[in-house]
Amino acid sequence: EDQVTQSPEALRLQEGESSSLNCSYTVSGLRGLFWYRQDPGKGPEFLFTLYSAGEEKEKERLKATLTKKESFLHITAPKPEDSATYLCAVPSGGSYIPTFGRGTSLIVHP
Amino acid sequence: DTEVTQTPKHLVMGMTNKKSLKCEQHMGHRAMYWYKQKAKKPPELMFVYSYEKLSINESVPSRFSPECPNSSLLNLHLHALQPEDSALYLCASSDGRVPNTGELFFGEGSRLTVL
Repeated sequence: EDQVTQSPEALRLQEGESSSLNCSYTVSGLRGLFWYRQDPGKGPEFLFTLYSAGEEKEKERLKATLTKKESFLHITAPKPEDSATYLCAVPSGGSYIPTFGRGTSLIVHP
Repeated sequence: DTEVTQTPKHLVMGMTNKKSLKCEQHMGHRAMYWYKQKAKKPPELMFVYSYEKLSINESVPSRFSPECPNSSLLNLHLHALQPEDSALYLCASSDGRVPNTGELFFGEGSRLTVL
């Protein structure tokens, strides 16, 4: 059973068109929620860890937020280089090892 | 140096071949991982080594055999694979000496094709 569900599966934006990606989770006693970015044919790149509801983290045009049921990755004024698959993950078992969701494939057109 | 280096980048092998994937990191990380990723799917955990000892094996078939010769190196030995094992194999590392933030450093992967 999926612990994280990401939506939408794919998203196409025009350059400068802000939007949000969603990650809903069903883990009880959340010990952290992770966001990664993956470019085609490359390994994932770590972006953020959020630990508690209300927490926010930012990096350039990306801002991640967390509630008790879901996390959002907000992309402000995206550029074509932001095109990638964005993966949400939660810790598996008793460790902090990420178990990944299916991801959102983002394409930003110039 | 914040790199995880994987070799080879591409590998084509027959079902009777024996080959190995190699991974190296020089960040002083004490935890290393193998993930498998099929097309348009998320990475799936296969093995975890912590302080050079196998700590997690996610019920991976014995045709995949991991090895951690030292704290910087991780190998994945492949034998008698099936075509459905074709995938991108990702190595990652993390600093196991501090409270884990979920931050893994991934290599670029080895693209494996089994004929």
